[in-house]
Amino acid sequence: GESVGLHLPTLSVQEGDNSIINCAYSNSASDYFIWYKQESGKGPQFIIDIRSNMDKRQGQRVTVLLNKTVKHLSLQIAATQPGDSAVYFCAENLDTGRRALTFGSGTRLQVQP
Amino acid sequence: NAGVTQTPKFQVLKTGQSMTLQCAQDMNHNSMYWYRQDPGMGLRLIYYSASEGTTDKGEVPNGYNVSRLNKREFSLRLESAAPSQTSVYFCASSALTSGYNEQFFGPGTRLTVL
Repeated sequence: GESVGLHLPTLSVQEGDNSIINCAYSNSASDYFIWYKQESGKGPQFIIDIRSNMDKRQGQRVTVLLNKTVKHLSLQIAATQPGDSAVYFCAENLDTGRRALTFGSGTRLQVQP
Repeated sequence: NAGVTQTPKFQVLKTGQSMTLQCAQDMNHNSMYWYRQDPGMGLRLIYYSASEGTTDKGEVPNGYNVSRLNKREFSLRLESAAPSQTSVYFCASSALTSGYNEQFFGPGTRLTVL
């Protein structure tokens, strides 16, 4: 995803609803993707990952979907809770030789009680 | 098991001053990374170390140097700080097993250069 500078896209949901956060990744050769959650003043925290040979992976309350045709990744959070409020980043393993991640610019999730 | 630790948590520098950001991990990971995060943006890779004894440039290496002191520690040095280096700096480590590259992040160092 391209940087959007200071104005992060924001998704506002009601507590208990499902949330879907989307991400467009940049390189069709990327073979590994991660979703991170970042709370204010903290470092990114791993949520879930997926390899490019999969199109869906489920965790506890979270599901990641990968559509390689359109280079799109989504994170679904079931029964969203106030504690889910944070900025969510997708990251791709763009260069396996470099062994480093390329991060998108993030989406802010706000959960309304 | 503390995971990834970083010191200091906050730092204010004047333009031209130097400083070293410290990072240590206790997970026996081979790979370590330094990222910077500017307001409202994702993380950008400064330098990384795939294994002890090796370091490589990332996306934004200019103005920085690194040292992989041993398997646990990876430091980032600003030789002559500039206002453009005001940012939050995150260190991360990864085991890099079976093609997965889950990276574990430290709490960050918030640096302001005046």
